[in-house]
Amino acid sequence: ETGVTQTPRHLVMGMTNKKSLKCEQHLGHNAMYWYKQSAKKPLELMFVYNFKEQTENNSVPSRFSPECPNSSHLFLHLHTLQPEDSALYLCASSQNGGSTDTQYFGPGTRLTVL
Amino acid sequence: RKEVEQDPGPFNVPEGATVAFNCTYSNSASQSFFWYRQDCRKEPKLLMSVYSSGNEDGRFTAQLNRASQYISLLIRDSKLSDSATYLCVVNIHNDYKLSFGAGTTVTVRA
Repeated sequence: ETGVTQTPRHLVMGMTNKKSLKCEQHLGHNAMYWYKQSAKKPLELMFVYNFKEQTENNSVPSRFSPECPNSSHLFLHLHTLQPEDSALYLCASSQNGGSTDTQYFGPGTRLTVL
Repeated sequence: RKEVEQDPGPFNVPEGATVAFNCTYSNSASQSFFWYRQDCRKEPKLLMSVYSSGNEDGRFTAQLNRASQYISLLIRDSKLSDSATYLCVVNIHNDYKLSFGAGTTVTVRA
């Protein structure tokens, strides 16, 4: 399935690096999401964009910076991360961000911060 | 209180068995409920939505108990391919945000 794609799939970075995660959805959706999934923990919502406007920043540290240039693309810019930021970062999209919308997830980027 | 709580398991069952597990949620006014499935090192995928009257999809049955604020998932005639982590997902505040449980791990053995 290629409805939501994410690159890179794996990323190892040092604490002083700057990198970006990319997400693209081919479903014609208007809402996009970034989630963080740490081992044995529930998915944590980080950011929500609806029609390219950020509607949620769930108290995420400023070392994570999202960007949504259009409804199909979502980026997560990373800088000066900490080892505890190592996790699976999942992108999702849904039709309009409604309460009954199904969210479709990308395969995730497995991030390791050394 | 956590918004969504699940028994982490694991539930280890033989092929052909029935397995069932619950999930509790914190807001009695919540209206949308889902079960997602997540295979090891893969992304979550929608298994089924949960409707007020309960619903079935093949071997899977989902129920909602509003009075006790829990949803359940029952898997009949378990297959090896049912081995996965099942995520309980609730739209707690009826907005655009979904709250995820930590997942219930099911392992079906031959």
